[in-house]
Amino acid sequence: AQSVTQPDIHITVSEGASLELRCNYSYGATPYLFWYVQSPGQGLQLLLKYFSGDTLVQGIKGFEAEFKRSQSSFNLRKPSVHWSDAAEYFCAVGESGGWGKFQFGAGTQVVVTP
Amino acid sequence: NAGVTQTPKFQVLKTGQSMTLQCAQDMNHEYMSWYRQDPGMGLRLIHYSVGAGITDQGEVPNGYNVSRSTTEDFPLRLLSAAPSQTSVYFCASRGGQTNSYEQYFGPGTRLTVT
Repeated sequence: AQSVTQPDIHITVSEGASLELRCNYSYGATPYLFWYVQSPGQGLQLLLKYFSGDTLVQGIKGFEAEFKRSQSSFNLRKPSVHWSDAAEYFCAVGESGGWGKFQFGAGTQVVVTP
Repeated sequence: NAGVTQTPKFQVLKTGQSMTLQCAQDMNHEYMSWYRQDPGMGLRLIHYSVGAGITDQGEVPNGYNVSRSTTEDFPLRLLSAAPSQTSVYFCASRGGQTNSYEQYFGPGTRLTVT
């Protein structure tokens, strides 16, 4: 069974600074990896996804993530955060077989200060 | 396309009451699932369906029933509500293509059981 760890429960970052959110996964086969963002009181929006190919993936809102198989990681980055990036971020791993069952991490809450 | 819709947005129940959370999608997706979101625990899978007439249990199925009589609809029934079922519930769907494993989420239903 797959599992996902997001080591940081809460991160505070200044507006304009860079942001990196960590995600480690455990899965026996090649995983399908996702990052979702959830603004307060809202549903989940897909930021980016990795299925195969180039290990550096570009997403929406200026986010990117890098898949590192050797480290079982899929960290999310943004060079310069905006106040609107304050939200909760979830990493998820999907099965590459069957119906694509998802396992979510516990989430990282990002606070952006002026 | 409306995507994935959920009703109601908010609900308050008394312990022991039953109710049905509605979920519908208009993308002709085969796969649908229900998650609950609790603080610090990410999203946990309750039940899922791989097509009309086919459902299975996820990680936390106790106290919930589902059925899938049509491709579009996937209602979640709480048989006898308990305070432990206070949570935010998300419905999700995805297509059957192997290159579209991403899930699309509804806006959520916030349920409080008193």
